[in-house]
Amino acid sequence: QKEVEQDPGPLSVPEGAIVSLNCTYSNSAFQYFMWYRQYSRKGPELLMYTYSSGNKEDGRFTAQVDKSSKYISLFIRDSQPSDSATYLCAMPDRGSTLGRLYFGRGTQLTVWP
Amino acid sequence: DTGVSQDPRHKITKRGQNVTFRCDPISEHNRLYWYRQTLGQGPEFLTYFQNEAQLEKSRLLSDRFSAERPKGSFSTLEIQRTEQGDSAMYLCASSPGPYNEQFFGPGTRLTVL
Repeated sequence: QKEVEQDPGPLSVPEGAIVSLNCTYSNSAFQYFMWYRQYSRKGPELLMYTYSSGNKEDGRFTAQVDKSSKYISLFIRDSQPSDSATYLCAMPDRGSTLGRLYFGRGTQLTVWP
Repeated sequence: DTGVSQDPRHKITKRGQNVTFRCDPISEHNRLYWYRQTLGQGPEFLTYFQNEAQLEKSRLLSDRFSAERPKGSFSTLEIQRTEQGDSAMYLCASSPGPYNEQFFGPGTRLTVL
């Protein structure tokens, strides 16, 4: 079993839709949870970063963590064509030391106008 | 542009040849990471440096792979006797320290014929 599981999609939605992206993980020691966005042929860029359980909102993006279920989500409201990218969840090893990151395989999202 | 830079952006080589990639981190970032990403997968950790010290290596990093970070600035990743299975995107990331996000470069795409 991989440390982090993520449905690869692809996911295709119309502009303005609410998008839900999800990951599950197996290591209960994970404390930090990240979402990266990767455009085609580019490196990943950090979108959101949460610690432990709960919600965090940043503009149109909301990250949720449910540690009891080992389940994390990223919601995108009022999705735009510019949101079309691959979204990767990631968790650092060793809790707060933020060393190596364990990534999901990414979900490819297309938002069509 | 003061982001992470990688060179070359694309490398095509024949099986059995040696290749070397370079990563220049963001200035004064003392942590530097290498990841490998194959098509449809998330990045997989290879190794990381704290200044010039290589602190961790993944089991993915076979004896044919070697990484250096002389003087704690830029880093090189060398692959000897390349194999077709080495074809991937090689990503470099840097961070100011262990509690900060990792900033990724654009990657070097390696194709082994």
